[in-house]
Amino acid sequence: GAVVSQHPSWVICKSGTSVKIECRSLDFQATTMFWYRQFPKQSLMLMATSNEGSKATYEQGVEKDKFLINHASLTLSTLTVTSAHPEDSSFYICSASPGGRVDEQYFGPGTRLTVT
Amino acid sequence: QKEVEQNSGPLSVPEGAIASLNCTYSDRVSQSFFWYRQYSGKSPELIMSIYSNGDKEDGRFTAQLNKASQYVSLLIRDSQPSDSATYLCAVSQGSQGNLIFGKGTKLSVKP
Repeated sequence: GAVVSQHPSWVICKSGTSVKIECRSLDFQATTMFWYRQFPKQSLMLMATSNEGSKATYEQGVEKDKFLINHASLTLSTLTVTSAHPEDSSFYICSASPGGRVDEQYFGPGTRLTVT
Repeated sequence: QKEVEQNSGPLSVPEGAIASLNCTYSDRVSQSFFWYRQYSGKSPELIMSIYSNGDKEDGRFTAQLNKASQYVSLLIRDSQPSDSATYLCAVSQGSQGNLIFGKGTKLSVKP
């Protein structure tokens, strides 16, 4: 139980283009999903919290117009990196909470983004 | 600034030994504590959660929490080479609080 999928698992895009990453909870409904970014040898940094049917809450320093988050259903959240730059290259990981505890999170397999 | 501190390692232990991983946190109101395992190039996997002082055992894993000392640890008994990974400590203020992650401790179990 508590399986989260992400698609794609890796993507290479050119600078200036946009990339969409999907996060799905496969066997549970997730009112809240989270998007993290992890640079090499660094820990996970929370980018935003996504609540179904409402606007995402972004962490300080994360540009909401650059990282568009949509949580259209209880099983799907998407992150779109707009006008990507090489410094956006990173490992993007989503997570979801199956129950009432927001802090008990299960992670998707991650998406490796490389911007050339 | 809420912080979660871990020794980056690497921590090297022989196969069959006990691996001890430690974590301290700065926010005294923290209520929920988690250990995640992350293999290289993969996403974190939840292995233990603990919410009250004392020990919690699950198979070869034991989590220990001491809120007075703001300290949480993870013991891995009978360590196996497959346990070699980075272990992330995460802390939350409560059931509706976001997770704050440490930078992780890299564990290497030598055959």
